[in-house]
Amino acid sequence: ELKVEQNPLFLSMQEGKNYTIYCNYSTTSDRLYWYRQDPGKSLESLFVLLSNGAVKQEGRLMASLDTKARLSTLHITAAVHDLSATYFCAVDMEYGNKLVFGAGTILRVKS
Amino acid sequence: DVKVTQSSRYLVKRTGEKVFLECVQDMDHENMFWYRQDPGLGLRLIYFSYDVKMKEKGDIPEGYSVSREKKERFSLILESASTNQTSMYLCASSLGQGVLDSFGSGTRLTVV
Repeated sequence: ELKVEQNPLFLSMQEGKNYTIYCNYSTTSDRLYWYRQDPGKSLESLFVLLSNGAVKQEGRLMASLDTKARLSTLHITAAVHDLSATYFCAVDMEYGNKLVFGAGTILRVKS
Repeated sequence: DVKVTQSSRYLVKRTGEKVFLECVQDMDHENMFWYRQDPGLGLRLIYFSYDVKMKEKGDIPEGYSVSREKKERFSLILESASTNQTSMYLCASSLGQGVLDSFGSGTRLTVV
């Protein structure tokens, strides 16, 4: 059974600081997603990582994937208040989009 | 943009009622999914469908059923609602082996 663990589950950051959210998963995977969810809203796809060593960046967010370590990271650079949201990683084992989600990381950026 | 539309944002139902949650997508996607979201648990897959009239159980199908009579519509059915089914329900769709990036806005169901 695939398990996906995110940490930390809650992160309070000061604006301008850097931090990393970790996503560990228990079995081999073909595809890993990162999503953002604002309060009361649906999920917004941030990144899809498809291969070992994949790195993707969008603005202040950078995601990477190490399939050998079964680890993905979401790095936040120079955080701003607008990044406050809940971030989920999700792992797809079969290219069928049967995703297993982590519990989510609640990020609060304080000015 | 793909739109995944869930018919209700908020629902309040009584224990034992039969509840229908409707989801419609407008981009001819083959795959449709129902998830429930609970704090601290992330999203968990209830049922999914790869084609009309096809359905497969996800990780937590107990107490739920689904219907997919048309490609664009995927319904989640709570046969006899219980208080432990109080949750946020999210529908999603995707194209074949494409990325899953289309989610509905969610239905917050409260069972009293």
